[in-house]
Amino acid sequence: QVQLEESGPGLMQPSETLSLTCTVSGFSLTSNGVGWVRQPLGKGLVWMGTIWAGGSTNYNSAVQSRLSISRDTSKSQVFLKMNSLQPEDTGTYYCARHNWAYFDYWGQGVMVTVSS
Amino acid sequence: EIVLTQSPTTTAASPGEKVTITCLASSSVSNMYWYQQKSGASPKLLIYSTSSLASGVPDRFSGSGSGTSYSLTINTMEAEDAATYYCQQWSSNPLTFGSGTKLEIK
Repeated sequence: QVQLEESGPGLMQPSETLSLTCTVSGFSLTSNGVGWVRQPLGKGLVWMGTIWAGGSTNYNSAVQSRLSISRDTSKSQVFLKMNSLQPEDTGTYYCARHNWAYFDYWGQGVMVTVSS
Repeated sequence: EIVLTQSPTTTAASPGEKVTITCLASSSVSNMYWYQQKSGASPKLLIYSTSSLASGVPDRFSGSGSGTSYSLTINTMEAEDAATYYCQQWSSNPLTFGSGTKLEIK
């Protein structure tokens, strides 16, 4: 069955670069897109960006200058890198399969805290 | 950016009661998508393409709407439906979510 699992450090310092990995199973990254969605604690969902089956990417302009999404299809992994972290980047980060215009499967999320 | 405004922000319903959640878009969108997020869990797709039920979703859930006004309806509230519900659009960049509606059981 389709599964996604996020992994990465839980605690980051301001100005550092965040690196998260999404490992997928049950589908191919060359057939489906994977997106990243952030949820600040107790708040709503914010789309950050998506890498598509062909390898192209779309980013939310709000974070585009700091964000990079890439993948390793041989390992079924998608990577998120975001630099210049600030406390407001604190939250749960989800990866999800991006099926055309919506997300049909989600990972369990990884909590990231940015604090000095 | 298309802003999605959900109402109500919070509501409560008794078992068996009908619940309707509204999502208003700041500009016309071609389709709306709905997610359910229970406390401590990741979001789950409920409705895609405005009115199509995602796999495994009970048929007491339904979606409708067009243009700038969309709604999610739970025909008969059950205790397991207590959750926060989000609408989402991607008719234009960036993809955006509504701010959520928290539904509690009375």
